[in-house]
Amino acid sequence: NAGVMQNPRHLVRRRGQEARLRCSPMKGHSHVYWYRQLPEEGLKFMVYLQKENIIDESGMPKERFSAEFPKEGPSILRIQQVVRGDSAAYFCASSPPALETQYFGPGTRLLVL
Amino acid sequence: QQQVKQSPQSLIVQKGGIPIINCAYENTAFDYFPWYQQFPGKGPALLIAIRPDVSEKKEGRFTISFNKSAKQFSLHIMDSQPGDSATYFCAARHGNKLVFGAGTILRVKS
Repeated sequence: NAGVMQNPRHLVRRRGQEARLRCSPMKGHSHVYWYRQLPEEGLKFMVYLQKENIIDESGMPKERFSAEFPKEGPSILRIQQVVRGDSAAYFCASSPPALETQYFGPGTRLLVL
Repeated sequence: QQQVKQSPQSLIVQKGGIPIINCAYENTAFDYFPWYQQFPGKGPALLIAIRPDVSEKKEGRFTISFNKSAKQFSLHIMDSQPGDSATYFCAARHGNKLVFGAGTILRVKS
């Protein structure tokens, strides 16, 4: 049973480019969460999605960031016009319905030059 | 109110010792308290979790102690091993989001 999968594992972008991060939840999980981890800090919640719905985006920056979880395919976190401050590790987690445990993927490490 | 304060920032113990990591919170709406272990370059892995109606939970060498009135909880690692060297995060759930502590870097010396 494969765990949460994220790709790419490492992503390098220049300032102003777009970054697209993908997350495939564990089999049977319909809830996806995105978190951001800055160097030597804890994880910060960004957004919670179910299939085709954004449930809670209270942790998302107001501009340049968006997320989706389509009916088919992985969840996508999209960062437009990246800036150096976007450099961080982005983790996706998933859970099945009615279960509080969130299982994390290996993360995507974004570096903005 | 949404913060979870974790201490210490780093901890060094000898093999066989019992490191203790502490967390404190203010928001009484938190209803689930997991601990995660993270190795460099990896994602956080769930270690053990507790609900606020339980004062202690043990799983293998890991124990959570929970003090609801003091709004504090802690992780104890019995008979620690060098392979336990990692960063440990406490977290608290509010709604569907987890609020994480800042992490504790544990090093177990052989």
